[in-house]
Amino acid sequence: AQSVTQLGSHVSVSEGALVLLRCNYSSSVPPYLFWYVQYPNQGLQLLLKYTTGATLVKGINGFEAEFKKSETSFHLTKPSAHMSDAAEYFCAVSDRVNNNDMRFGAGTRLTVKP
Amino acid sequence: DTGVSQDPRHKITKRGQNVTFRCDPISEHNRLYWYRQTLGQGPEFLTYFQNEAQLEKSRLLSDRFSAERPKGSFSTLEIQRTEQGDSAMYLCASSPGQTEIYFGEGSWLTVV
Repeated sequence: AQSVTQLGSHVSVSEGALVLLRCNYSSSVPPYLFWYVQYPNQGLQLLLKYTTGATLVKGINGFEAEFKKSETSFHLTKPSAHMSDAAEYFCAVSDRVNNNDMRFGAGTRLTVKP
Repeated sequence: DTGVSQDPRHKITKRGQNVTFRCDPISEHNRLYWYRQTLGQGPEFLTYFQNEAQLEKSRLLSDRFSAERPKGSFSTLEIQRTEQGDSAMYLCASSPGQTEIYFGEGSWLTVV
């Protein structure tokens, strides 16, 4: 069964600083990997996804993530944080056959200081 | 293109009452999911439909919970004899295939 671990339940950065949110996965088969963002009292919005091909994937709002099989990681980065990036971020994994089994991490709350 | 729509957005109910949530997926998405999310946690999978068939149910989905998708379009999630532990956000999502799923804005349930 797949699972993800998000390292750090809370990350705080200054506006303009690098954002790095960590995600490690466990999967017995090649995974699909996702990052979602959730703003207060809202549902989850897809930021980016890795399925096949290029291991560096770019998403919305300037975010990107790199799939590293050797490290079983899929960390999310953004070169320069903006105040509007403050939100909860979830990493998720699903298998390539049945995405009905998508598993989410516990989430990382990103705070951006002015 | 409208997204996944959920109704009601907020529901406060007394313990022991029944509640029903409705989800309208993105049109032409044949897969529909229900998740539950509590504060400080990621979404937990509850159940999944492909068209009108309910293909998988989590062990989290006790006998008090039932979900339907009668015509393969909208879905309902009913919770009978609500308990305080049922207080959570119930998220619906839909998908056209095997990759990403698209979430609605959720339905908050508070059981008092």
